[in-house]
Amino acid sequence: GESVGLHLPTLSVQEGDNSIINCAYSNSASDYFIWYKQESGKGPQFIIDIRSNMDKRQGQRVTVLLNKTVKHLSLQIAATQPGDSAVYFCAETNPGSNYKLTFGKGTLLTVNP
Amino acid sequence: GAVVSQHPSRVICKSGTSVKIECRSLDFQATTMFWYRQFPKQSLMLMATSNEGSKATYEQGVEKDKFLINHASLTLSTLTVTSAHPEDSSFYICSAKPGQGAWETQYFGPGTRLLVL
Repeated sequence: GESVGLHLPTLSVQEGDNSIINCAYSNSASDYFIWYKQESGKGPQFIIDIRSNMDKRQGQRVTVLLNKTVKHLSLQIAATQPGDSAVYFCAETNPGSNYKLTFGKGTLLTVNP
Repeated sequence: GAVVSQHPSRVICKSGTSVKIECRSLDFQATTMFWYRQFPKQSLMLMATSNEGSKATYEQGVEKDKFLINHASLTLSTLTVTSAHPEDSSFYICSAKPGQGAWETQYFGPGTRLLVL
């Protein structure tokens, strides 16, 4: 069936480096994508979103890139800090899902000081 | 803005008892709230969509008689796990949308850790 998945389950980076977390989706009708950060024992926290009519969106230290041709989404974190250590989920929704979110598997980002 | 709270944050109960979890949108009204379950080291799985003033819509495989949902107002939805069993032990998370548009972000609560003995 349709799914949203991640290429890398874990990512370890040095403090100050840039991090890139990838996500693949399979539903060509997906038109809204969100990245969430989840720290241990907490609920997901909204990071950044992007609509399908865009291919790039920037926030504070984060950038989301969307490539609809290959159904690929990425989250770039600049100057990664220890506080960025968490599990990152991509999620998608589409008109046919009644606004329900489908989550990817998650990537555990570990930032080494 | 867009703060969602859950209560309790953690609950331990005996097998066979019922547990109620509350989800509140603190600074916005939410026509639609969602309930998710998350097992350790896994992703979030949608259980049901809670709509104010109407019956909840359950995902395939989720027993509606076991997981009772009541969306009493535009700021409150409750999930009651009835006759809880150890396999119901999990992290339950709710979310809420400020608007009804397709491109509205869902904001999540802090989660409720349920342990059934």
